[in-house]
Amino acid sequence: RKEVEQDPGPFNVPEGATVAFNCTYSNSASQSFFWYRQDCRKEPKLLMSVYSSGNEDGRFTAQLNRASQYISLLIRDSKLSDSATYLCVVIDSNYQLIWGAGTKLIIKP
Amino acid sequence: NAGVTQTPKFRVLKTGQSMTLLCAQDMNHEYMYWYRQDPGMGLRLIHYSVGEGTTAKGEVPDGYNVSRLKKQNFLLGLESAAPSQTSVYFCASSYSTSQRGYTFGSGTRLTVV
Repeated sequence: RKEVEQDPGPFNVPEGATVAFNCTYSNSASQSFFWYRQDCRKEPKLLMSVYSSGNEDGRFTAQLNRASQYISLLIRDSKLSDSATYLCVVIDSNYQLIWGAGTKLIIKP
Repeated sequence: NAGVTQTPKFRVLKTGQSMTLLCAQDMNHEYMYWYRQDPGMGLRLIHYSVGEGTTAKGEVPDGYNVSRLKKQNFLLGLESAAPSQTSVYFCASSYSTSQRGYTFGSGTRLTVV
């Protein structure tokens, strides 16, 4: 089993819809969690951190479920510009970054 | 503009050839990293450095060497390229282990034929 798993997608979503995807992690001692966005043929860019209490940044909401060992990303009122691959990153108990392979999101007009 | 600059952006090598990828950052970051990204897999750490003159192995170091002679530069070398090293290589830097200060370069697409 991979340490960090994501559904590769693609998720095809109409513009304006709400979409959510999860990322599961295997190490229960993992300490920190993040979502990155990667556009085609570009470098990853930090989207948001994921806090235990959940956090919001505009149309984006991140949640952490430690009991079930997953994090989620919810995007409301999706825009065409949200089309990208979303990577989750987990920092384990040894401060090592473990990257998921990403979920591809395609927003259609 | 401040950031992380990688050169070259693209390269095609023949099996057995050698090359060096250069990463330069102008943010005075202590930490620098080299990753590779392959389809269907997450970024995998090749080597990293926690300061000038120091280097350490990451998850997939075999076939690569690195050097950090100056704080702002982190070089990744392939001594004898193999087709399995065809990948996209990303350099990153940070001032700490915090993700908030993590900056990536734009990547190098390497094909080994």
